[in-house]
Amino acid sequence: QQPVQSPQAVILREGEDAVINCSSSKALYSVHWYRQKHGEAPVFLMILLKGGEQKGHEKISASFNEKKQQSSLYLTASQLSYSGTYFCGTEVRNTDKLIFGTGTRLQVFP
Amino acid sequence: NAGVTQTPKFQVLKTGQSMTLQCAQDMNHEYMSWYRQDPGMGLRLIHYSVGAGITDQGEVPNGYNVSRSTTEDFPLRLLSAAPSQTSVYFCASSYGSEQYNSPLHFGNGTRLTVT
Repeated sequence: QQPVQSPQAVILREGEDAVINCSSSKALYSVHWYRQKHGEAPVFLMILLKGGEQKGHEKISASFNEKKQQSSLYLTASQLSYSGTYFCGTEVRNTDKLIFGTGTRLQVFP
Repeated sequence: NAGVTQTPKFQVLKTGQSMTLQCAQDMNHEYMSWYRQDPGMGLRLIHYSVGAGITDQGEVPNGYNVSRSTTEDFPLRLLSAAPSQTSVYFCASSYGSEQYNSPLHFGNGTRLTVT
């Protein structure tokens, strides 16, 4: 069962912030975040394991609330290079399957 | 270091034809998987493998077969292509079967059109 991502699309000006959410109806062991630019392959951003940890990648960070089965991706002071589609991938405990959400399209304009 | 290599990059098939999408990785990754990507549907898992000789079904396995005879290769076979299989196919690999701490490395994709 695919995780649900929201919003489906975000439009930003350079320097603005955005939050992308990912939620699942199943107990999660981990959450992955990837970014895909048009016509290219998805590129790994970060993995979050259970325990509510938060990670960062430049000005992009994420959190994982295991109890709520939710993860959020925070993009601060957005840059033009942040444009693309962001996917969360969720792994349910005791499976080897990474199931992706339908994606959030982010567009950053000057 | 080539990473994950997919061939061909583009393919056009007629309904009912068969073909194999190739995927090879040179990172000695145990875990390999195939996804298809359709507009508005995200990436959907077709089949995956946690090591040579072991494969299992993902979310959308119907119409596709896989095998894993070596660590490096994980081909995806379409036995009788259908227009519904028109999509972009991505192969991905990661270090271990313990997927939770291993990022996926994606190939550049194969764009398949079935007419």
